[in-house]
Amino acid sequence: DTGVSQDPRHKITKRGQNVTFRCDPISEHNRLYWYRQTLGQGPEFLTYFQNEAQLEKSRLLSDRFSAERPKGSFSTLEIQRTEQGDSAMYLCASSLGGQGYEQYFGPGTRLTVT
Amino acid sequence: GEDVEQSLFLSVREGDSSVINCTYTDSSSTYLYWYKQEPGAGLQLLTYIFSNMDMKQDQRLTVLLNKKDKHLSLRIADTQTGDSAIYFCALGPGRRALTFGSGTRLQVQP
Repeated sequence: DTGVSQDPRHKITKRGQNVTFRCDPISEHNRLYWYRQTLGQGPEFLTYFQNEAQLEKSRLLSDRFSAERPKGSFSTLEIQRTEQGDSAMYLCASSLGGQGYEQYFGPGTRLTVT
Repeated sequence: GEDVEQSLFLSVREGDSSVINCTYTDSSSTYLYWYKQEPGAGLQLLTYIFSNMDMKQDQRLTVLLNKKDKHLSLRIADTQTGDSAIYFCALGPGRRALTFGSGTRLQVQP
């Protein structure tokens, strides 16, 4: 069991640049979630997929954010024209379909926008 | 929307029991979870309880749910220094988005 993996672990970018993060879920999990966590806070939900379908998006997911899961396996989260307020830890989680109530989290990608 | 409240900090001595509390407003949450986060790391799922249960025990962990008062607690027996971390309570309908509290930092003193 390799767990949920995320790449990169850290990203430093300048304001206005685009960034893309990748998440690889646990292999048999068909649900994949993205959360954002800022310092001193709990994670906040951004979006989730069942297989390749994006089923729910938070109002936190502005037009500058887009997530994909083209083949129902790994997912990418892209942020365009980054702002300093985007600096946060971006967490990915996955769960089984059906009776899968347990979300397992990856180590996160820490984004710093300078 | 849902509101999940946790106290910010708890300090205990090694070997004592720790009790971390969580209160919430949305009574329709079906599943209530406890996660642990160590510095710079992701979240580790510790345990969860269905809303139709009052208690769940898993080795050193005991979860208590008081639905009337909308209060969830996590008791850690024989707390060890390795238990030092931030503990988050989270609520959800099961297979969708989770709503997290802001976390309780547990400090275990030797």
